[in-house]
Amino acid sequence: AQTVTQSQPEMSVQEAETVTLSCTYDTSESDYYLFWYKQPPSRQMILVIRQEAYKQQNATENRFSVNFQKAAKSFSLKISDSQLGDAAMYFCAYSAVLKRDDKIIFGKGTRLHILP
Amino acid sequence: DTEVTQTPKHLVMGMTNKKSLKCEQHMGHRAMYWYKQKAKKPPELMFVYSYEKLSINESVPSRFSPECPNSSLLNLHLHALQPEDSALYLCASSHGQVDTEAFFGQGTRLTVV
Repeated sequence: AQTVTQSQPEMSVQEAETVTLSCTYDTSESDYYLFWYKQPPSRQMILVIRQEAYKQQNATENRFSVNFQKAAKSFSLKISDSQLGDAAMYFCAYSAVLKRDDKIIFGKGTRLHILP
Repeated sequence: DTEVTQTPKHLVMGMTNKKSLKCEQHMGHRAMYWYKQKAKKPPELMFVYSYEKLSINESVPSRFSPECPNSSLLNLHLHALQPEDSALYLCASSHGQVDTEAFFGQGTRLTVV
């Protein structure tokens, strides 16, 4: 069975600094997707970034980038130039590819605090 | 339109009530999901409708029943709920096969009294 592990329940970072959130996963599949979702106090889950396992290049979206290490099954999220609006719960998630009953498996989340 | 719309946003119901949560998307997605999320916990999958086929998390009690009238709508019928069922209920949709990125609604905050 696939699992997703986030070992940091909470983290804090000074505004404008850089922070890295950790995620490891376990799967026997060779092709899959990995995601980072953000859930602010407004409750809506917002996709921050996604990575296809077959792509070696790390995904980047503006201030957000990932360090994807497929052999180590590691998928960390780096947030550069942290802003107050980045404060939220961040969930790492996994999804298999090309399966009709595919489901997203979430880690337990990391609550990120931004210090002004 | 990249939205998943959930109604109502808040719901308070008694243990003897029957109510329904509604979810709608117009992105042509063929998979829709219901998740339950307790405070400070990750979402837990309850049901998946993918290509008209229902998949159930077998730990979900029968007082929750999903209904998919068409590929754009997903309802969650609630009956005889318990106070421990109070949670945020999230609906999501995805293409269901090639692109498994899920789009989430804003959720329904359910309180059972």
